Amino acid sequence: AQSVTQPDIHITVSEGASLELRCNYSYGATPYLFWYVQSPGQGLQLLLKYFSGDTLVQGIKGFEAEFKRSQSSFNLRKPSVHWSDAAEYFCAVPGASGGSNYKLTFGKGTLLTVNP
Amino acid sequence: DTGVSQDPRHKITKRGQNVTFRCDPISEHNRLYWYRQTLGQGPEFLTYFQNEAQLEKSRLLSDRFSAERPKGSFSTLEIQRTEQGDSAMYLCASSLIRDNNEQFFGPGTRLTVL
Repeated sequence: AQSVTQPDIHITVSEGASLELRCNYSYGATPYLFWYVQSPGQGLQLLLKYFSGDTLVQGIKGFEAEFKRSQSSFNLRKPSVHWSDAAEYFCAVPGASGGSNYKLTFGKGTLLTVNP
Repeated sequence: DTGVSQDPRHKITKRGQNVTFRCDPISEHNRLYWYRQTLGQGPEFLTYFQNEAQLEKSRLLSDRFSAERPKGSFSTLEIQRTEQGDSAMYLCASSLIRDNNEQFFGPGTRLTVL
């Protein structure tokens, strides 16, 4: 079954520092991959997506992610974190029937705290 | 395009009561999904519709849960005889049927069962 693992439950960084959030996936074919962000009490906002092609994808708010098939990873990065980036981040893959818009399976999330 | 909206945003109810939530998707989106998110977890799939047809239901969706999308536009999720374990955030999302499209999420309805 398709799944994602986010190994880090909670990460704390200082404002201005670089950030990398890890995501490992299990998927039968070339996966569709997503990163969503959830601010406290809010719904999910799509940060970026990988469907095919260039393995380095750019998203909103200065985020990027790199698809590495050999490592089954899709890690999220940002060169300089802002206090407003404090939120919970979720990696997700669609289910077995394929298609980018099928039901999503989410990781358990990584909570990001940003210190001033 | 006003995005996906959900109503109410918060609901507090007593155990045993019935509750109903509404989701209005992005207008041209054919697919509508319901997810449930408990504290400290990622969202979990409950069910989805393609137009008015309910195509799949998760095992998480017990017989106390029912969802409808009568005209292929808005959807309702009803929970009968609520239990404390139903306390969660209920998220709705919508997307186009065509591939290479992502799901857009609403703000969610937070349910607290006392």
